Amino acid sequence: DGGITQSPKYLFRKEGQNVTLSCEQNLNHDAMYWYRQDPGQGLRLIYYSQIVNDFQKGDIAEGYSVSREKKESFPLTVTSAQKNPTAFYLCASSTGWSSYNEQFFGPGTRLTVL
Amino acid sequence: AQSVSQHNHHVILSEAASLELGCNYSYGGTVNLFWYVQYPGQHLQLLLKYFSGDPLVKGIKGFEAEFIKSKFSFNLRKPSVQWSDTAEYFCAVNPGSNYQLIWGAGTKLIIKP
Repeated sequence: DGGITQSPKYLFRKEGQNVTLSCEQNLNHDAMYWYRQDPGQGLRLIYYSQIVNDFQKGDIAEGYSVSREKKESFPLTVTSAQKNPTAFYLCASSTGWSSYNEQFFGPGTRLTVL
Repeated sequence: AQSVSQHNHHVILSEAASLELGCNYSYGGTVNLFWYVQYPGQHLQLLLKYFSGDPLVKGIKGFEAEFIKSKFSFNLRKPSVQWSDTAEYFCAVNPGSNYQLIWGAGTKLIIKP
C-alpha cells in the first residue's frame, strides 16, 4: 500500500528535551510538508521541502528543525526552544511543489509535553 | 494577512438533512480552492478542488462546492447527508502567489442516525 507513515502515534516529552517525529512516504513524491494542528485552528505550516536536500521555513518554524536527506523521509525535530510544543503534528506530501497538487497526509503524531 | 474562515465550528444534523458548510477567504487574486475531510480515525483526505472553469465542482461521496468569486466564498454542500458523513471538514485556499495552502479552522459535522 502506498502512503505516508508517521511515528510514533503518541509522544510524551519532558520540558527541555528535543524529540524527533518520523515521517516516511512511499509515494515517490518530491514535496513534503510538516503542519501543526491546534484545537480550533487550521493547519499551520512549519516546514516544507520541495526536493531532497532542500527545505524552507513555513509560518511557524521557530523551535523546529528538519532534514531531507532522502526523498522518502522528512523527520521533524521539536527542540527545547519551542515554547508551546504540545500539539498534533501532521506530515504531508505531494507530487510536486505546485498549487495544483493534492497533498496526501499521514495519520499524525500527538505530542504532549509534561 | 491572508485568511480562511469557516464560520461554523460544529454542525449537528439528522440523516437526510441538507448540508452547507461555509468557507470564505480574504485574498483578492486568483485562487485555488480545496475541501479536505477527516473521518474518525482516518487520514485527512481531499474531498474536492477548484482551479478554474465551472464554478460548481463535484467531489467524492456526493459532495459539491460552489465558487462565488464576488463573495470570496467556496461553500460545501450535500443535498442529503448520511451518518457516515460524520467527520471534520477543512477548507483550504492557495492564493496563487505562492504555493502555500492557507487552512480554515475546520468544521466538525455530526450526523445523528
